[in-house]
Amino acid sequence: EIVLTQSPATLSLSPGERATLSCRASQSVGTYLAWYQQKPGQAPRLLIYDASNRAAGIPARFSGSGSGTDFTLTISSLEPEDFAVYYCLQRNNWPPLTFGGGTKVEIK
Amino acid sequence: EVQLVESGGGLVKPGGSLRLSCAASGFIFSSYSMNWVRQTPGKGLEWISSISSGTTHIYYRDSVKGRFTISRDNAKNSLYLQMNSLRAEDTAVYYCVRDFLLLDLWGQGTPVTVSS
Repeated sequence: EIVLTQSPATLSLSPGERATLSCRASQSVGTYLAWYQQKPGQAPRLLIYDASNRAAGIPARFSGSGSGTDFTLTISSLEPEDFAVYYCLQRNNWPPLTFGGGTKVEIK
Repeated sequence: EVQLVESGGGLVKPGGSLRLSCAASGFIFSSYSMNWVRQTPGKGLEWISSISSGTTHIYYRDSVKGRFTISRDNAKNSLYLQMNSLRAEDTAVYYCVRDFLLLDLWGQGTPVTVSS
């Protein structure tokens, strides 16, 4: 089973700042990695698929990069609605599909 | 509106059973593979099971094999999860999710609590 490790666990930033979130895989997942955003009381929402492709309706301030075992989600300038928990997911080697433990982006 | 709506969660005793349902609308359900994913405060998000559009391919995580059964009725635009021999560690919010390549559409979730 591929283990995804997200860091940091919590990121404290102010609106307008740049957020950089990391997801590291225990073995290569190619570019079969996705990112999701989850707000309290809501289901996760797909942001990025296949490492760098924005899902429909996702603002351009969200971008993804990486391949193999190291991936990054960048939010170029945080908006108030971006404070949430972010998860990565790999689909290269499954079953099982596996998720990372999440990074909480909180207001500083 | 494109949406997934789960139902059937609730409180059940250890060893008991529940059947979760997911009603799909706003898209061609029969064209998509489907999944169940659960979430707990302790373990985070955990993939449970997937089923292909025509039910040819079905997958489970090891911890639920032999206890959970995924199924679908394309005529009714519905996905199901039959859960038997439930354990305390199955307590979670269960989400119905579209497409096992993208997981691009999630329902609002239905909570399942396994407790005596």
